[in-house]
Amino acid sequence: GQNIDQPTEMTATEGAIVQINCTYQTSGFNGLFWYQQHAGEAPTFLSYNVLDGLEEKGRFSSFLSRSKGYSYLLLKELQMKDSASYLCAPVSGGYNKLIFGAGTRLAVHP
Amino acid sequence: GAGVSQSPRYKVAKRGQDVALRCDPISGHVSLFWYQQALGQGPEFLTYFQNEAQLDKSGLPSDRFFAERPEGSVSTLKIQRTQQEDSAVYLCASSLEPGEGAGYTFGSGTRLTVV
Repeated sequence: GQNIDQPTEMTATEGAIVQINCTYQTSGFNGLFWYQQHAGEAPTFLSYNVLDGLEEKGRFSSFLSRSKGYSYLLLKELQMKDSASYLCAPVSGGYNKLIFGAGTRLAVHP
Repeated sequence: GAGVSQSPRYKVAKRGQDVALRCDPISGHVSLFWYQQALGQGPEFLTYFQNEAQLDKSGLPSDRFFAERPEGSVSTLKIQRTQQEDSAVYLCASSLEPGEGAGYTFGSGTRLTVV
């Protein structure tokens, strides 16, 4: 079966750093996506990890450990506009089906 | 088009009514997914098309749900005899090739409210 765990809610201060963890158990694992979703909007792509290690893209970084079934999303220099839900989504199968976690709602305050 | 387009943006249906939700994927995209997102939850997989072939419908919650993509482009998700638990946002996503990483584009979704 599929099981994805991430914290339900997190709060952080503007300008700070926050790490959102995700653990997963999926069959036929091919990689892992992180998406950002503002309320009432479509999920938008943040990162995609296939191999173990850290992928850095501006203020956002994502880490993957396939052997541990673990990933995290690191957000630096937080801005108010980063207040959103962050969705961890492993992909599996021949056509890379996205399986989403429940998401982590991040609130950034001044 | 430039992105994935879904219509209608909002739909209110009376319990028992049939509804049809439309998805226009990015032109040329082979893969198309439908997801259901309940309030405060992550999207749940419903079904997958590769061109016109529906290769996976394991996520459809009941036989009241039906999806098609007859010409391999536009897709329609139909829900018959809607019930209150069908109230959710229905998201469509497409990608250029099956298995392509970082290539999923989501539409803004259709918010269905069953009253």
